[in-house]
Amino acid sequence: QKEVEQNSGPLSVPEGAIASLNCTYSDRGSQSFFWYRQYSGKSPELIMSIYSNGDKEDGRFTAQLNKASQYVSLLIRDSQPSDSATYLCASGGYQKVTFGTGTKLQVIP
Amino acid sequence: GAVVSQHPSWVICKSGTSVKIECRSLDFQATTMFWYRQFPKQSLMLMATSNEGSKATYEQGVEKDKFLINHASLTLSTLTVTSAHPEDSSFYICSAREGSFGRLGAGAFFGQGTRLTVV
Repeated sequence: QKEVEQNSGPLSVPEGAIASLNCTYSDRGSQSFFWYRQYSGKSPELIMSIYSNGDKEDGRFTAQLNKASQYVSLLIRDSQPSDSATYLCASGGYQKVTFGTGTKLQVIP
Repeated sequence: GAVVSQHPSWVICKSGTSVKIECRSLDFQATTMFWYRQFPKQSLMLMATSNEGSKATYEQGVEKDKFLINHASLTLSTLTVTSAHPEDSSFYICSAREGSFGRLGAGAFFGQGTRLTVV
């Protein structure tokens, strides 16, 4: 079982819609969770971090964490074509950060 | 966010030569840095965890004698690909977390990546 699992996609949404990206993790000892965006040919960029149960909002992005279900999600409101990228979910303990394989998001104009 | 700088951004080398890639944390100290490799259209693959002042921890299947890692200071880690071959051509990316053993809630920040082409 992979430590962090994501659907590889692609997930296609029309421009202006809400994109919902999901992730599950297996290590109950994970302390913090992250979402990264990676454009093709570029390195990942940290866009959200969350470590408490519930929702965390930052602009058009909302991260959701449910530790009981070992589930993390990222919502992107008012999706734009520029949001088209691969989104990586990651879990972190004191030292190691473990990445999922990423979900490719396509926002259709 | 914190800044991690990686150099060079791309390099072309002849088969059999060695290539050194540098990873620097510019505005924070990083006890631990991570080295990844990514082939086209594939996910990140963790190669090794670089610990300042001690030996790196390599993931299973990664040849430690081929991929030499040195983390001599709290702001610099280097990856040397020795006797490079065409199959080593890939996108190499480093990342670092702030603080000793990583502050809770602190994400890992990535360098720009190095595209290595071995001809």
